[in-house]
Amino acid sequence: AQSVSQHNHHVILSEAASLELGCNYSYGGTVNLFWYVQYPGQHLQLLLKYFSGDPLVKGIKGFEAEFIKSKFSFNLRKPSVQWSDTAEYFCAVSRYGQNFVFGPGTRLSVLP
Amino acid sequence: DGGITQSPKYLFRKEGQNVTLSCEQNLNHDAMYWYRQDPGQGLRLIYYSQIVNDFQKGDIAEGYSVSREKKESFPLTVTSAQKNPTAFYLCASSIEGGGNQPQHFGDGTRLSIL
Repeated sequence: AQSVSQHNHHVILSEAASLELGCNYSYGGTVNLFWYVQYPGQHLQLLLKYFSGDPLVKGIKGFEAEFIKSKFSFNLRKPSVQWSDTAEYFCAVSRYGQNFVFGPGTRLSVLP
Repeated sequence: DGGITQSPKYLFRKEGQNVTLSCEQNLNHDAMYWYRQDPGQGLRLIYYSQIVNDFQKGDIAEGYSVSREKKESFPLTVTSAQKNPTAFYLCASSIEGGGNQPQHFGDGTRLSIL
């Protein structure tokens, strides 16, 4: 069965530290890739998405992600985190004609 | 404002009782989805609907039922057959189904057993 894994269950960083959250998937072929964020008490919001083209994707709030096809990875990065980035982050993968598969999520805590 | 409205925010169920979670969207989206979110497990798909009057089972449909009589509404019933219903339930929609469009989410309903 297709699956999506996220390397870390909980990441704790200090403000201004750099962030990289891992995401790997088990699909072959063409995929669509997404990162969602769930701030405390809020609904899931789309951070960024990749369908095709430039494998380095820029999203909202200074986030970016790089699609590396050979590694089946779509890692999320931010050069300098803020306290307001404290949230849970979900990677999701879909293929044409199929539903999304979500990873288990990574909880990010940023210390002021 | 366009969006997805889920109600209620909190819901309590007694043993043997069916409860219905509401999901309404005014985004004019064709596709709607129900997910269950449990700690450490991400989102798991319960049911989805790509068009009015049609819906399909997701990965964990047992103990749940849905209807899609109107484009904007996709209620989920948690039946007494669902033995472990305590969870956070998320409704989502997308312009069309098939995985090629981002999904938009509601604020969720937290269901607990009394």
